Amino acid sequence: ILNVEQSPQSLHVQEGDSTNFTCSFPSSNFYALHWYRWETAKSPEALFVMTLNGDEKKKGRISATLNTKEGYSYLYIKGSQPEDSATYLCAPWTGGGADGLTFGKGTHLIIQP
Amino acid sequence: EAQVTQNPRYLITVTGKKLTVTCSQNMNHEYMSWYRQDPGLGLRQIYYSMNVEVTDKGDVPEGYKVSRKEKRNFPLILESPSPNQTSLYFCASSLSYLARSGSGYTFGSGTRLTVV
Repeated sequence: ILNVEQSPQSLHVQEGDSTNFTCSFPSSNFYALHWYRWETAKSPEALFVMTLNGDEKKKGRISATLNTKEGYSYLYIKGSQPEDSATYLCAPWTGGGADGLTFGKGTHLIIQP
Repeated sequence: EAQVTQNPRYLITVTGKKLTVTCSQNMNHEYMSWYRQDPGLGLRQIYYSMNVEVTDKGDVPEGYKVSRKEKRNFPLILESPSPNQTSLYFCASSLSYLARSGSGYTFGSGTRLTVV
């Protein structure tokens, strides 16, 4: 089973502050990296699908970067708002097989007013 | 609305009583997958299907069965549920198993199963 590590496990951030967290994964046989936002009592929703080394994706105040050579991705949230409170999951796809994504345990983000 | 519909949302059952969790998608997706979520663990794949009549085991398939007779439906069957199958289950679908393009996986709303 692929080793996917997300850090930190949880994070408390003041409203208005910016924050970032990390996803680490084996760099060999890399095909793609997904980020999902998972709000309490809801289902995970896709944020980004990233494939190329150096990729940078942005959706509103949230952005992500990808380094496939060293096996990590950063997710950034600028000017955190209460609605950003959620668990953020990363999921690499390696090996190209139909077994698909391997999910990390997530970073649980709490925005404090 | 494009969606994955999972039923039921909540289920409490007794050990050994067969049950089925249904999953249906209306996006003509080829790829469908079942995951379970347990405290302290990431989403773990139970079974997946690349297309109709093509299914395969994920990381934690023991105690589960699936079928894919139609493209839209991918039910999860627990023939003889046990307490260690108490978990939160998600069905997900994607255009294809090639997870390099498109908009990622679309998840159902989840089924919280308790086996007593």
